[in-house]
Amino acid sequence: AQSVTQLGSHVSVSEGALVLLRCNYSSSVPPYLFWYVQYPNQGLQLLLKYTSAATLVKGINGFEAEFKKSETSFHLTKPSAHMSDAAEYFCAVSGNNQGGKLIFGQGTELSVKP
Amino acid sequence: KAGVTQTPRYLIKTRGQQVTLSCSPISGHRSVSWYQQTPGQGLQFLFEYFSETQRNKGNFPGRFSGRQFSNSRSEMNVSTLELGDSALYLCASSSAQGAMYNEQFFGPGTRLTVL
Repeated sequence: AQSVTQLGSHVSVSEGALVLLRCNYSSSVPPYLFWYVQYPNQGLQLLLKYTSAATLVKGINGFEAEFKKSETSFHLTKPSAHMSDAAEYFCAVSGNNQGGKLIFGQGTELSVKP
Repeated sequence: KAGVTQTPRYLIKTRGQQVTLSCSPISGHRSVSWYQQTPGQGLQFLFEYFSETQRNKGNFPGRFSGRQFSNSRSEMNVSTLELGDSALYLCASSSAQGAMYNEQFFGPGTRLTVL
């Protein structure tokens, strides 16, 4: 079975500091991996996705993630945090003939201090 | 192009009642998936529809059901509501079914409160 683990339910950084949100996955088949962001009272917005084309994936708003098969990780980073990055971030996996079904991690709430 | 719309945005019901939530996908999208989001369980997959057929189902009781119409609009129904059904229900649409890597576009959700 596939699963996703996000390390740290809350992460706090200062404005301008590096953002690092951790995601580890478990999958018996090559996974497709996604990072979504959710702002208060809104749905989810796709930040980026890994579909085996390239291990370093660049997304919107300056975010990127690197797929590391040996570590079964897909951590999300951004070099410099902005106040507007404060939100909840979800890592998700699909695959294994599950159609469009996404399996989500528990989420990481990012706070950005001025 | 308009995004995914969900109605109503907020709903308050009492235990034992039933509720129907509606989702209109992005124009041209034929796949619609539903997810339940709660603080305790996080985001959980309910079901996926494509061309009016349920293609995939999550691990929820039979009280949760859905359907999709010929115009790709979808509804989900929850019967005999329980307090634990209080959640944000998210609908997502995609341009293809079974394409695991296709982006799913999410609506703003319907906040259901069961009293």
